[in-house]
Amino acid sequence: NAGVTQTPKFRVLKTGQSMTLLCAQDMNHEYMYWYRQDPGMGLRLIHYSVGEGTTAKGEVPDGYNVSRLKKQNFLLGLESAAPSQTSVYFCASSLSWNTGELFFGEGSRLTVL
Amino acid sequence: AQKVTQAQTEISVVEKEDVTLDCVYETRDTTYYLFWYKQPPSGELVFLIRRNSFDEQNEISGRYSWNFQKSTSSFNFTITASQVVDSAVYFCALTADSNYQLIWGAGTKLIIKP
Repeated sequence: NAGVTQTPKFRVLKTGQSMTLLCAQDMNHEYMYWYRQDPGMGLRLIHYSVGEGTTAKGEVPDGYNVSRLKKQNFLLGLESAAPSQTSVYFCASSLSWNTGELFFGEGSRLTVL
Repeated sequence: AQKVTQAQTEISVVEKEDVTLDCVYETRDTTYYLFWYKQPPSGELVFLIRRNSFDEQNEISGRYSWNFQKSTSSFNFTITASQVVDSAVYFCALTADSNYQLIWGAGTKLIIKP
């Protein structure tokens, strides 16, 4: 049982390049989330999805796009990467929004030069 | 607006000491949920506990205990007889009926010295 899997784990980009982070969960969870974690700031929600085909903006959505074409996958895209997007990105899923337990992926470390 | 404050940026104690991590929250919702997550040096985030606003009973799980006090808007976490393996960053978080977002504190880095 893999849980939540993120790919890639590490990536270095040049300013202006694009990339996509893939999150896959095998728990049949409705809710999926993308967070970024920066030193001293905890986790900040980028986008989330309450079900297949739906997405919504979180706290810091600018510069990112997402898609949830299949229930098990939640993609995070950077169209034109900026150094301010250097961060560790975490994907998470949950059975419902208020059950509490978020299941996290291992994180993806992105560096934008 | 909702907010979670973890005023202790870093705590360092010697193994076997007891340590309490503070969490103070702000919300206008009457129904809300509080959480603690652990992030060990390996980087993954691990769920520890959830408490809803109608349940002020303290929780004990082995060496871990949580003290929820609505009167002071606090949800503190105590580790008894700390161990080196407890070294991690601990996050407190809050969500409420009014939104889907989990509001995170900045985290407290706990260092347990042998």
